[in-house]
Amino acid sequence: DAKTTQPPSMDCAEGRAANLPCNHSTISGNEYVYWYRQIHSQGPQYIIHGLKNNETNEMASLIITEDRKSSTLILPHATLRDTAVYYCIVPNTPLVFGKGTRLSVIA
Amino acid sequence: EAGVAQSPRYKIIEKRQSVAFWCNPISGHATLYWYQQILGQGPKLLIQFQNNGVVDDSQLPKDRFSAERLKGVDSTLKIQPAKLEDSAVYLCASSQARTSENTGELFFGEGSRLTVL
Repeated sequence: DAKTTQPPSMDCAEGRAANLPCNHSTISGNEYVYWYRQIHSQGPQYIIHGLKNNETNEMASLIITEDRKSSTLILPHATLRDTAVYYCIVPNTPLVFGKGTRLSVIA
Repeated sequence: EAGVAQSPRYKIIEKRQSVAFWCNPISGHATLYWYQQILGQGPKLLIQFQNNGVVDDSQLPKDRFSAERLKGVDSTLKIQPAKLEDSAVYLCASSQARTSENTGELFFGEGSRLTVL
C-alpha cells in the first residue's frame, strides 16, 4: 500500500500557483519524498525529491514541513500543459504509486 | 540522451492469446522495472530486475506472466494466455539507483497499451 495520502483532484487557474498537498505521517528519518506526474497517455515523469530541506528546480518547488509528515508541491505559474495526475511517493521496495491527485489547469 | 524505448505502443488481442512487450532501458541503467497500469489507477509494480537478476517479482502473476532480461539490457514481458482483466498499459522504467538518495528516480517509457477482447 502507498505510504502517502493525496486529495483525488484539484483545479487551478492558468497562470496561478498550483499547491498540491501530500501527507506522509509514517515517513522515517532517512526516507526521501518524491514527486512524479503523469500526463495523459504518457509514462510517469520524475519532478523533484527532497529529504527535509525545501527544494526547487526548473519544474517545481517542494516544501517539506519541519516534522516531515507532509509536503507540498508548488507549480509557481501553472499552464494548461501541467494538467496531469501528480503522485507523491515515499520510496519503498518496491516503489509504490497511489492514485495521486488529478490536477486540472483551467484557462 | 535517449529515453526508455518500448514497443509495441498498442496491441489488441483476443482472450487466451499471447502477447509480448519489449523494453530497452536508458544506457547504463542497471535496474529495470515493469509496471501494470489499469485505467484510473496508479502504476503497480510487476517485476524489478537488477542487471539480469530478479529483485522482486512478488506481484507478477506467474501462471500467465513471464519476464526476462537475459543480457542485463533489454527486457521482454510476456502474457500467455491473456485474460480480459489484463487490459492495461504496461510501463517499463529504468534507474541508475547508485545511492540511497536516487533510488526513487525512475525514468519511464511511454508504455504499451494492451486491449484484450
